[in-house]
Amino acid sequence: DADVTQTPRNRITKTGKRIMLECSQTKGHDRMYWYRQDPGLGLRLIYYSFDVKDINKGEISDGYSVSRQAQAKFSLSLESAIPNQTALYFCATSTLGTDTQYFGPGTRLTVL
Amino acid sequence: EDQVTQSPEALRLQEGESSSLNCSYTVSGLRGLFWYRQDPGKGPEFLFTLYSAGEEKEKERLKATLTKKESFLHITAPKPEDSATYLCAVRIPFNDYKLSFGAGTTVTVRA
Repeated sequence: DADVTQTPRNRITKTGKRIMLECSQTKGHDRMYWYRQDPGLGLRLIYYSFDVKDINKGEISDGYSVSRQAQAKFSLSLESAIPNQTALYFCATSTLGTDTQYFGPGTRLTVL
Repeated sequence: EDQVTQSPEALRLQEGESSSLNCSYTVSGLRGLFWYRQDPGKGPEFLFTLYSAGEEKEKERLKATLTKKESFLHITAPKPEDSATYLCAVRIPFNDYKLSFGAGTTVTVRA
């Protein structure tokens, strides 16, 4: 079974709709991250959380919000989706004392 | 501004034709350089972490090396299953465990 899961894996939506992407992990890690990947730009950090009560903005947080419901769950919301938010979204986890981040399988989001 | 640049953007190899990928960075006070492999439609898979100049790590046909300004990922006698996008990332100093990623090098190995 995958250690980091993301739902949905694919989503097509329309401009102005609210969208939630979910991430769950069974690795027991305390740190969780949301990234966005666009062709030619690499992975960019949207938000990160070092524990349930800690939420931090990354380099491209505008238009996004997050919720850390439990140590194992971290959700990303697009309050009002726009076409330039069409991208691959990845969740990642890591644990205190190590640098390695482990990634989920990704969600392909298309905003029409 | 911290920057990670990978080259080339794409690399086409014949099976068995060894080559190297480059990752150059402008971060001051590097606190870790990471290599990941990403297959189409999947999340990045961790390969290596390097911390200091001169350090080397190997895994099967892959070998990563680090200097003060760049890292190389050497692919020795590649096979078609080595086809993937290889991502480089650096740990940003004074920002705990945040990584800055390059755009990646897409490697295609033909049989």
